[in-house]
Order: sequence, then structure tokens, then C-alpha cells
Amino acid sequence: DIVMTQSPDSLAVSLGERATINCKSSQSVLYSSNNKNYLAWYQQKPGQPPKLLISWASTRESGVPDRFSGSGSGTDFTLTISSLQAEDVAVYHCQQYYSIPSFGQGTTVEIK
Amino acid sequence: QVQLQESGPGLVKPSETLSLTCTVSGDSISSGNYYWGWIRLPPGKGLEWIGNIFYSGTIYYSPSLKSRVTISVDTSKNQFSLRLNSVTAADTAVYYCARRAAAPAGWFDSWGQGTLVSVSS
Repeated sequence: DIVMTQSPDSLAVSLGERATINCKSSQSVLYSSNNKNYLAWYQQKPGQPPKLLISWASTRESGVPDRFSGSGSGTDFTLTISSLQAEDVAVYHCQQYYSIPSFGQGTTVEIK
Repeated sequence: QVQLQESGPGLVKPSETLSLTCTVSGDSISSGNYYWGWIRLPPGKGLEWIGNIFYSGTIYYSPSLKSRVTISVDTSKNQFSLRLNSVTAADTAVYYCARRAAAPAGWFDSWGQGTLVSVSS
């Protein structure tokens, strides 16, 4: 099984500042035959289900603001919120789909 | 637009069986374009994948839960179901049903609102 580890567990960022969340997989999720990273990011606001933000490590879903970006390859990935807005307060989860699905433990983003 | 809705008891006694149903609207489980799955969120922990089912009956289970889990599908009702037996307090969680993109994709693009299931006597 692939274990996903996120860091930090929580972070507080001032409005308009950058928030960076890391996700590390216990083995590579880069599939060599298509050069794609099998990694997704979700946003979960209180009382709501997770919402898909990014697939293939860096492809934003339709309607997702461009302040959200995903990067990384192999085993190390990053979700960046370039300018934090109040509505971005949420828990963020990474998920690999290279093998049977597994998620990180989640990172809580708050306003400083 | 697809919608998923979980239903079932919110309280289950230890050692008994947790049973939930997910009703899908706005898409047909039989379309063959997606897997249909269950995921849970225990309090204070991360999301945990439980399993997926395809309309044909192909099923994948989490290895850690495989001995206790059964997922089934009823295409005539456009529903799929979860049964988890011999539950303990560790099975207390918000349970979500979700639609999973078919391979090579594997993300979950639509989710139900979730239902809290507590295991307690």
C-alpha cells in the first residue's frame, strides 16, 4: 500500500499571503508509460464533503480559481494557494490513484 | 449534474453490522463510465477508502477492511450499498459515497454529503 503523508498538519496564513501544503508518497506515483503523476487534491470545508480541486498533480478542475496550483512529481507534491482568501479556510487532502486509493491525513488551513 | 445521497442508521451497536445505501441521481450506475465507492472520515483522522464497485459487479476492497466489508449494487434502483460487520468504536466515522473516475483516472469527482455513523452501546 502507498502511504501518503502531508505536512504540516495545520497552518495559519494571513489574508493575501501564500499557503503551501506538502504531500509525500511512500513510493513513486509517476507512471512511466504516460509520464503522469497519479495524484489529486481536494478541499473540504466544514460540514461539506471533499471537493476535487486538482488531478494529475497539476490540472485544475473547471471552476477552480487559478490561485490554486499543484506541482511536484514522483513522490513529492505541493498544493499552493497563491493569495489566501477567507473562503479558502478548509482541510486539504491529497490522494494517490496509482494503486488502490489512499489519502493523506489532511492539512487544516486557517486565517492568521 | 450527478447527486449522491447516503442513507442508513446513525447509531450501530458494537459487534453488529453497519448498513448504508447510496442513491444516485443525474447519472446511471449502469453507464459504465465510473466506479462507485465508499470512503470514511474518522474523527481526528484522514480520509480512508473502503472500496469501489463497477456496475458489472467488479469490486475492489481496502485490504485492511476486506474481511468485514461487502459492497453491492442494485442497478434497477440506481443504488449501491455498504455493509460492514463486527463493528467497533474504531468504525465511528462520517461515511461518504462517491463517484470515481474510471482508469487511468482514479479521483473522486462527486461526493454525497456524508452520514455520521456512531458505534456505541
